[in-house]
Amino acid sequence: EAGVVQSPRYKIIEKKQPVAFWCNPISGHNTLYWYRQNLGQGPELLIRYENEEAVDDSQLPKDRFSAERLKGVDSTLKIQPAELGDSAVYLCASSPLKGEQFFGPGTRLTVL
Amino acid sequence: GENVEQHPSTLSVQEGDSAVIKCTYSDSASNYFPWYKQELGKRPQLIIDIRSNVGEKKDQRIAVTLNKTAKHFSLHITETQPEDSAVYFCAASGGDYKLSFGAGTTVTVRA
Repeated sequence: EAGVVQSPRYKIIEKKQPVAFWCNPISGHNTLYWYRQNLGQGPELLIRYENEEAVDDSQLPKDRFSAERLKGVDSTLKIQPAELGDSAVYLCASSPLKGEQFFGPGTRLTVL
Repeated sequence: GENVEQHPSTLSVQEGDSAVIKCTYSDSASNYFPWYKQELGKRPQLIIDIRSNVGEKKDQRIAVTLNKTAKHFSLHITETQPEDSAVYFCAASGGDYKLSFGAGTTVTVRA
């Protein structure tokens, strides 16, 4: 069984530039999560989808962050414009409904 | 929201000794407590979890205990091996499976 796939693995951009991350969850997993992990910290939830519906986006900074999961499968997370403080690892996870979460390898974002 | 605190932040043990990591949570409604292991540059991987209807769960050298009254849970690793060196995260969630993570414990097993 293929795991959660994310791309790119690494991204370096200058501040004020836009950036997008892509995630393909495990086949059949209805629930998809985006987390941000700062250095030396645990992951923090940004948004959770049940199929194509964002059921929890309370932690998503909506002034600059957006996400979509149009067909209830893969998802994109966008930051526009990026700030220095956005440097972190962005993790995608998926799970069957109310089940164990499986994480992707993450995208390491560096904002210069 | 849920607040999870994890101690210690770093732990160094001699190979073969035991390692214990402790976490506390704030929301009495939390009922699911997973533990993740994250090796350097790798994804977090679930190693064991426990639900609120049991007090202890064991899987080979790893065990987790839960005290709902005190709102704390612990990870125990026995007979530690070099490959146990990693960052370990505890987490807690309620029925919505929204995980709140601790800050992590860096475990180093000395050969």
